[in-house]
Amino acid sequence: DTEVTQTPKHLVMGMTNKKSLKCEQHMGHRAMYWYKQKAKKPPELMFVYSYEKLSINESVPSRFSPECPNSSLLNLHLHALQPEDSALYLCASSQDRASGTYNEQFFGPGTRLTVL
Amino acid sequence: DQQVKQNSPSLSVQEGRISILNCDYTNSMFDYFLWYKKYPAEGPTFLISISSIKDKNEDGRFTVFLNKSAKHLSLHIVPSQPGDSAVYFCAASGRYGNKLVFGAGTILRVKS
Repeated sequence: DTEVTQTPKHLVMGMTNKKSLKCEQHMGHRAMYWYKQKAKKPPELMFVYSYEKLSINESVPSRFSPECPNSSLLNLHLHALQPEDSALYLCASSQDRASGTYNEQFFGPGTRLTVL
Repeated sequence: DQQVKQNSPSLSVQEGRISILNCDYTNSMFDYFLWYKKYPAEGPTFLISISSIKDKNEDGRFTVFLNKSAKHLSLHIVPSQPGDSAVYFCAASGRYGNKLVFGAGTILRVKS
């Protein structure tokens, strides 16, 4: 299984809603990532989990809250978002560099988020 | 501070010809370089990579060249096919840590 899955594919939410994005991989990868991508821009790193511990937070506002319940799952909890948070949210996974391997990151299809 | 630069926003190539996409980087600590292809509303798909100990890596129609002294890499696609039309991102990784730094992307259009 060389796939990263993400649910839902599309999400529309109001600024007072609470929602969660989910990501799953079964490649035995121990590093998992959340990226945000706006139109015509490259993916922008938000968070990195390494061996289920948060290792990088790229100064993301607290209205985005990541969670890694186990080595296969990654969640992104959303609360009180702003319209400018509308974007494609991508999950990725890779081997961890600490294991001595190079880290091709494999991306999921993304969740298209619209904040009204 | 853009550490990975793709200076050509777009490239148009005739089907069957060679496509050459370029990427420059500034951080000498980068030791692993990757190319990703992305269709609209989909996640990036890993294409090919190269470590800093090599200067060339080939996979089918795709070849990546690395010139460390010039801090430059390029992706060659031969022959180009209409299905190759997509956005191509160059990315780089340092020796330690899991962070990838992406370039701004180049839109490739292959005309039939």
